[in-house]
Amino acid sequence: SQQGEEDPQALSIQEGENATMNCSYKTSINNLQWYRQNSGRGLVHLILIRSNEREKHSGRLRVTLDTSKKSSSLLITASRAADTASYFCATRGTGNQFYFGTGTSLTVIP
Amino acid sequence: EAGVVQSPRYKIIEKKQPVAFWCNPISGHNTLYWYLQNLGQGPELLIRYENEEAVDDSQLPKDRFSAERLKGVDSTLKIQPAELGDSAVYLCASSLDFTGELFFGEGSRLTVL
Repeated sequence: SQQGEEDPQALSIQEGENATMNCSYKTSINNLQWYRQNSGRGLVHLILIRSNEREKHSGRLRVTLDTSKKSSSLLITASRAADTASYFCATRGTGNQFYFGTGTSLTVIP
Repeated sequence: EAGVVQSPRYKIIEKKQPVAFWCNPISGHNTLYWYLQNLGQGPELLIRYENEEAVDDSQLPKDRFSAERLKGVDSTLKIQPAELGDSAVYLCASSLDFTGELFFGEGSRLTVL
C-alpha cells in the first residue's frame, strides 16, 4: 500500500527553470523524506524534514511541510538535464511505518 | 564504504519456478527493508527487519513469499512458486535505525515468463 500521492505525475521543463512537485499523505507522521530515482537504478535520499519543521533547504532543493494540510512540496531551482529522474516522497508514520508515494517523473530539456 | 549490495541484478524465470534474491546491507545498519516496485509506481513495502526480527511483514504474500535475515546482517527474499504478476523490481534498503534515511541497492529485476 502507498501512503502518499504526488502531483503532478509527470513534469517537463526547460533547463534553468524551477520544478515544483507536491506530495499529499494521509496519516500523522514523524518525518517526511524525498528520494530521487534515475531510470533503472535504486532510490537516492535527497532530504528529510521533521514534523515540527516547516521548511528546509539543501543546495538547490527546498522542501516545505504543512502538517495541517498533510502536504509537502519539493522545489528544485535552476534545473539541469541531470535532474531528469523520478521523485518520490516517503512518510515515516508515528507507528514507524515507512511508505512511499506514487512519484513524479521530471524531464529537464537541455 | 560499500553501499547496499543486491544480487542478482536481473533474473528471468518461467512461471511456477522458484527464485531468490540476496541483499547485503550497509555495515552497522540494523534496519533492513524489502520493497517491490512495479513499473511507473512507487516502492511498496514487503517486509521490514529490525536486526533479525521481522517487525512489519503485513504486506508480504506469505503463501508464496518468504524472507529471512540470519544473524541480523544479510537477507534473502524467496518466491516459490513465481507467478506472472510477480514480474517487478525487488529493492532492498537499509538504515541505521528506523527513524532515518534509507539507503537503497540497485534492485533485482524479475521477469516471469
